[in-house]
Amino acid sequence: NAGVTQTPKFRVLKTGQSMTLLCAQDMNHEYMYWYRQDPGMGLRLIHYSVGEGTTAKGEVPDGYNVSRLKKQNFLLGLESAAPSQTSVYFCASSYDRATDTQYFGPGTRLTVL
Amino acid sequence: EDQVTQSPEALRLQEGESSSLNCSYTVSGLRGLFWYRQDPGKGPEFLFTLYSAGEEKEKERLKATLTKKESFLHITAPKPEDSATYLCAVPNQAGTALIFGKGTTLSVSS
Repeated sequence: NAGVTQTPKFRVLKTGQSMTLLCAQDMNHEYMYWYRQDPGMGLRLIHYSVGEGTTAKGEVPDGYNVSRLKKQNFLLGLESAAPSQTSVYFCASSYDRATDTQYFGPGTRLTVL
Repeated sequence: EDQVTQSPEALRLQEGESSSLNCSYTVSGLRGLFWYRQDPGKGPEFLFTLYSAGEEKEKERLKATLTKKESFLHITAPKPEDSATYLCAVPNQAGTALIFGKGTTLSVSS
């Protein structure tokens, strides 16, 4: 099992550009999450999904959109990137509720110039 | 407001020098406290889950304990390979997400 995978690993964008980060899990987990991690701020939840076709806002959702068209995939989109979105993005999944153990991907380091 | 606070922010130890990391939380109705290890440039790796006061779990040189308001991660005779950032997290009151502390960065020198 690969667990949770993320693509790409690194990306540099110019302000105003758009991009999509892909998260895939092969553990048949219902819940999936997108976090961002910034120095001194810890991990903060952007959006999450409780199952295929569902999404919900987390703590810091502004400037991001998500989609969960397939159970195994969770996409995070930036429509118009801003320097404040420079961060490391982590995807995670858990079996069937948020109080289950979350398993994390390796992260995507995004720089917005 | 649900909060998780970890201390110290950074800890430097000599190899073999035991110590403890602290995680305090304010969420009511605790439904689990999670400890993760994060190496530089990698995603958090699950270590332990504790569910009730008095519970303890061990893995190699690590032992996690839980009280009603805080958890401790005890590191016994650490080795340089234990150097990492240790994160703790608790579910929010709604049970929809984990709230993470900012972590303790542990450095163990030989």
